[in-house]
Amino acid sequence: EVQLLESGGGLLQPGGSLRLSCAASGFTLSSYAMTWVRQAPGKGLEWVSTISAGGGGTYYADSVKGRFTISRDSSKNTLSLQMNSLRAEDTAVYYCARTLVGVSVYFDYWGQGTLVTVSS
Amino acid sequence: EIVLTQSPGTLSLSPGERATLSCRASQSVTSSYLAWYQQKPGQAPRLLIYGASSRATGIPDRFSGSGSGTDFTLTISGLEPEDFAVYFCQQYGSSPTTFGQGTKVEIK
Repeated sequence: EVQLLESGGGLLQPGGSLRLSCAASGFTLSSYAMTWVRQAPGKGLEWVSTISAGGGGTYYADSVKGRFTISRDSSKNTLSLQMNSLRAEDTAVYYCARTLVGVSVYFDYWGQGTLVTVSS
Repeated sequence: EIVLTQSPGTLSLSPGERATLSCRASQSVTSSYLAWYQQKPGQAPRLLIYGASSRATGIPDRFSGSGSGTDFTLTISGLEPEDFAVYFCQQYGSSPTTFGQGTKVEIK
């Protein structure tokens, strides 16, 4: 059974840093593209970042480019999102999702999400 | 980027009724690369439909998707109690992928 479990969320001040993790089970992480999607409170879903299968390519939304870094540790079957220079508008539940590819990407399995709150 | 507009915002129906949800794109969606997801409070989203009309693994056949170009529809042929949730559409025919704002299907 495919499972994704996010961790690492929390409350922090603007300008701070945080690292989110997503532990995968039931499949080999390196065989799939993986994505982080976020959902601000009461809002819709927003694509944040994707890493290609094998990790050769990384892609970011303009809103996080230069501040966030996606990576994976194949030995631990874990996906990560390093978030720096955080802003109030980064407040959201962050989901990791197993990714399938069309022209862009869509998602066949999602985790439960981890909440990141950026506030002074 | 493509903007997806879902309607209605909220749909109030009784179990057993048919639900029809709309997703309209600001420009044509390449190759009908349109997906639908179901989300319940506190739960992960679940993929229902991809390619506008293909059901994902394990999805009951009461869920069906249709449409092309800029107009897409998700139909639930007879609502079960577990179907009351929020539904999102997503286009993946152009980058960046974008989502609609969601339609809440609530019990009348």
